[in-house]
Amino acid sequence: DSGVTQTPKHLITATGQRVTLRCSPRSGDLSVYWYQQSLDQGLQFLIQYYNGEERAKGNILERFSAQQFPDLHSELNLSSLELGDSALYFCASSPEAVGVANEQFFGPGTRLTVL
Amino acid sequence: AQSVTQLGSHVSVSEGALVLLRCNYSSSVPPYLFWYVQYPNQGLQLLLKYTTGATLVKGINGFEAEFKKSETSFHLTKPSAHMSDAAEYFCAVSGGASNTGKLIFGQGTTLQVKP
Repeated sequence: DSGVTQTPKHLITATGQRVTLRCSPRSGDLSVYWYQQSLDQGLQFLIQYYNGEERAKGNILERFSAQQFPDLHSELNLSSLELGDSALYFCASSPEAVGVANEQFFGPGTRLTVL
Repeated sequence: AQSVTQLGSHVSVSEGALVLLRCNYSSSVPPYLFWYVQYPNQGLQLLLKYTTGATLVKGINGFEAEFKKSETSFHLTKPSAHMSDAAEYFCAVSGGASNTGKLIFGQGTTLQVKP
């Protein structure tokens, strides 16, 4: 158990819909990362937050957005869903934003299926 | 820009045999390098990491990796495979102290261990 929790574990929805994925980082970790794992794209970095502020952006679609709340949990919002958004979405957390201490601990993931 | 190439999407070894999973990276800054393991239906677990200092890094479960700057490689080895090592393995790079800490992953290598 990494200490990172993600809910829900599974999500099945239809095209055009909007969903919210939730992540609670390890106690004390200030940085949260979101990654998408799909068969064709592999593991891709989406976005990073550090202590409530956006820190870095990767290959995140405009239909996707995220935020980190004062209690440090994070939510990833996916809207206007398409079939190609079906994937495993991982959240990871680390103590800092950069540097040697930046070992990332991964949650179990949310499997999103868009029908 | 950074990138990771894992040679061989699928590696099969016999129980007790040497495990060698290959990883080459590209980075314009001194990299931090990581190996993660993913068991079926689970999140990623850190096996080992290289940041600075000793180039031979020992990790959990008997795995080790050697950072070779001249070859831009970070291959993962284990002297004797065990059935429980069957999983998917990911090599990843981040940009070190100057970067955000986001991980760039290779495509993954599935390790099969035959009895």
